[in-house]
Amino acid sequence: GAVVSQHPSWVICKSGTSVKIECRSLDFQATTMFWYRQFPKKSLMLMATSNEGSKATYEQGVEKDKFLINHASLTLSTLTVTSAHPEDSSFYICSARDPFPGGPWAEQFFGPGTRLTVL
Amino acid sequence: SQQGEEDPQALSIQEGENATMNCSYKTSINNLQWYRQNSGRGLVHLILIRSNEREKHSGRLRVTLDTSKKSSSLLITASRAADTASYFCATATNSGNTPLVFGKGTRLSVIA
Repeated sequence: GAVVSQHPSWVICKSGTSVKIECRSLDFQATTMFWYRQFPKKSLMLMATSNEGSKATYEQGVEKDKFLINHASLTLSTLTVTSAHPEDSSFYICSARDPFPGGPWAEQFFGPGTRLTVL
Repeated sequence: SQQGEEDPQALSIQEGENATMNCSYKTSINNLQWYRQNSGRGLVHLILIRSNEREKHSGRLRVTLDTSKKSSSLLITASRAADTASYFCATATNSGNTPLVFGKGTRLSVIA
């Protein structure tokens, strides 16, 4: 199946700093990528839909100025957590579909996740 | 918003027993998928069942889908200690290219 990578796999930062997480589709082009957040022992919550060449669509309750999403190419989306605070510590997971040949309801491939710890 | 609700939230069984997890959802779907996640790790896709399918098998996994009841079940037969993980159902709507919406998950512990 298609491969989605994330970098870094884990990051520790000081409160107040910004952290950028990259999500890449390695062998397919993804016009749309999705960002999820997962707190310990909880499920994945959708944060935003990242659209190549246009603005991201954020879910209700997710601050777009705090979680900046850029989808500059068909294989790369980035999530920047700005002015991070300890409550932003979480597991961030990106995902994408390979629209060809699967179509819009094809399997959604997930990156391995990035664990962010804010001290 | 979270659509799926799994039950039980936690399940502990002995190795060799079968494990059944259930998932309910609220709106019409195109397909429903099950994922496994080991503690602190990424998701592993297990199986996808489409809205016009009622049952699907993959190895020791059996998934059923009842669209009239908006529910699905995942059965793992002859469980192994390595099956210990969290299991999530996720639904895809008919809108196309919309993100999967995940249920709360079931934490399965298989005791050797």
